[in-house]
Amino acid sequence: EVQLVESGGGLVQPGGSLRLSCAASGFTFRSFEMNWVRQAPGKGLEWISYISSRVNTIYYADSVKGRFTISRDNAKNSLYLQMNSLRAEDTAVYYCARRELLAFDFWGRGTMVTVSS
Amino acid sequence: QSALTQPASVSGSPGQSIAISCTGTSSDVGGYDYVSWYQQHPGKAPTLMIYDVSNRLSGVSNRFSASKSGNTASLTISGLQAEDEADYYCSSYTSSSTLYVFGTGTKVTVL
Repeated sequence: EVQLVESGGGLVQPGGSLRLSCAASGFTFRSFEMNWVRQAPGKGLEWISYISSRVNTIYYADSVKGRFTISRDNAKNSLYLQMNSLRAEDTAVYYCARRELLAFDFWGRGTMVTVSS
Repeated sequence: QSALTQPASVSGSPGQSIAISCTGTSSDVGGYDYVSWYQQHPGKAPTLMIYDVSNRLSGVSNRFSASKSGNTASLTISGLQAEDEADYYCSSYTSSSTLYVFGTGTKVTVL
C-alpha cells in the first residue's frame, strides 16, 4: 500500500525556519517524481515545488522561490522541504504528493505549518 | 501564474447531473492534455479522480466524466449522490516556470 507521511510542521515565528519531511513506503520511491502542495486554511490548493526522481530537475512556485528548498534522499525513501524566511502567508497544511501520469496520484495527510508571533 | 478559474459552488439534487468548469489559458489548460481533477472531503487530503483530461483513475465511479474544449476543462458528475458532496479542484501542467497550477476549487453540495 502506498503511504506518504508528512512531519515537521508546527508553530514558527515570522522570519523563522522549518524543515518538513515526507516518509514514503509501499512503492519504489527512487522511481517517482515528487511534489509539495499546500493549502492555506479555508483556501484552495497551491502547488509549490517539484523534484525529479534523480534530483536533476527542480521547480518552485514564484511565491516560495528563493526561500524554500526541496530535496530528497532516495536511500531513505524521504522527501524534504526546507522553509526559510517564513511569512504569515505561508501558514497552511503542507502535503507531499507523488507524481504519476503528470498528475498527483497519491497524497499524504499533510502537516500543518503556522507562522505567527 | 494565476489559478485556474472554477465556480465557487455548484449544487444539485440526488440523481441529477452537474458540471464544473475549469478555465485557464493557452499556456495551461488549452496548451496541454494534462488536466487532472481532485476530490477533497473536509479535513482530508485530496484524491486524484481524473488525469490526462478525461481518464478515470481505477476505482473511480463512471458517474464521473471529464472533457476539455479550448482553454476550458469540465468535470461532470451524473447521478449525484450524497457522498459526492466535497470540494473539487482541477489542475493543469503549465508552460510557465511554475510547472503546475490548480483551480480555485468548487464546493459541490447535494441538496
